[in-house]
Amino acid sequence: DQQVKQNSPSLSVQEGRISILNCDYTNSMFDYFLWYKKYPAEGPTFLISISSIKDKNEDGRFTVFLNKSAKHLSLHIVPSQPGDSAVYFCAAPYGQNFVFGPGTRLSVLP
Amino acid sequence: DTAVSQTPKYLVTQMGNDKSIKCEQNLGHDTMYWYKQDSKKFLKIMFSYNNKELIINETVPNRFSPKSPDKAHLNLHINSLELGDSAVYFCASSLPLGGGQETQYFGPGTRLLVL
Repeated sequence: DQQVKQNSPSLSVQEGRISILNCDYTNSMFDYFLWYKKYPAEGPTFLISISSIKDKNEDGRFTVFLNKSAKHLSLHIVPSQPGDSAVYFCAAPYGQNFVFGPGTRLSVLP
Repeated sequence: DTAVSQTPKYLVTQMGNDKSIKCEQNLGHDTMYWYKQDSKKFLKIMFSYNNKELIINETVPNRFSPKSPDKAHLNLHINSLELGDSAVYFCASSLPLGGGQETQYFGPGTRLLVL
C-alpha cells in the first residue's frame, strides 16, 4: 500500500519554464515532507522540506506547496535548468522510518 | 569530505555466496538506515538502527542482517544470495526521528548483481 504517491513517472519541460512535480499522500498523520533529487548512479540528495504547519516553503528556484486538506504537495522549479534533470522523490518520516514515493523523472530540454 | 560513504560501489557475485556492504557516516548521526531500490525504482526501507533499537521491515528475509560495530558504521550482511537480491542498496543516516526536522543523508549506493 503506497502511502506516498507520485502519479507522474516522468515530466518533460523546456528550459526556462516552470516544472511542477506532484505528490499525494494517504496518511493524515504525516506532518513533515521532504523532496529529494537523484542523479543516475548517485544517492538521493535532500532538496527542500515543509512542515505541516506551513503551506509554502521557498528556497531559491525551488518552492514546495502543501495542501493538507487535499493531502497533496507539489514542488515548483522556476526557471527550470538542464541541470535539474533528475528523478525527484517525495518522502515523509513516519515512526522510525521514511516513506518514499516512486519518483518522477524530470527532463529539462535545452 | 563524503558524509555517507558505501563500499563497494559495484558488487557482482554468484548465487549462494555471502557478501557484505559497508557504510560509514561522519555526520555524527545516531540513526542509520538501509534501503533497497528495486527494478521498479521504488526506495524501500529495509532497516533503521540507532544505538538503542533495530527496526526491521518484516518483509526483509532473515538472510539480510545489519551489523553496527559503532555509531558511525552500519554494515549489511547478506547470506545465500539469490537472483532477486540484485538491486541498488542505499545507506542513509539522520538525526533521531521525531524532532520535526528530519532529513536523511544518503550514500552513493551499491549496485549488486547476483548471477
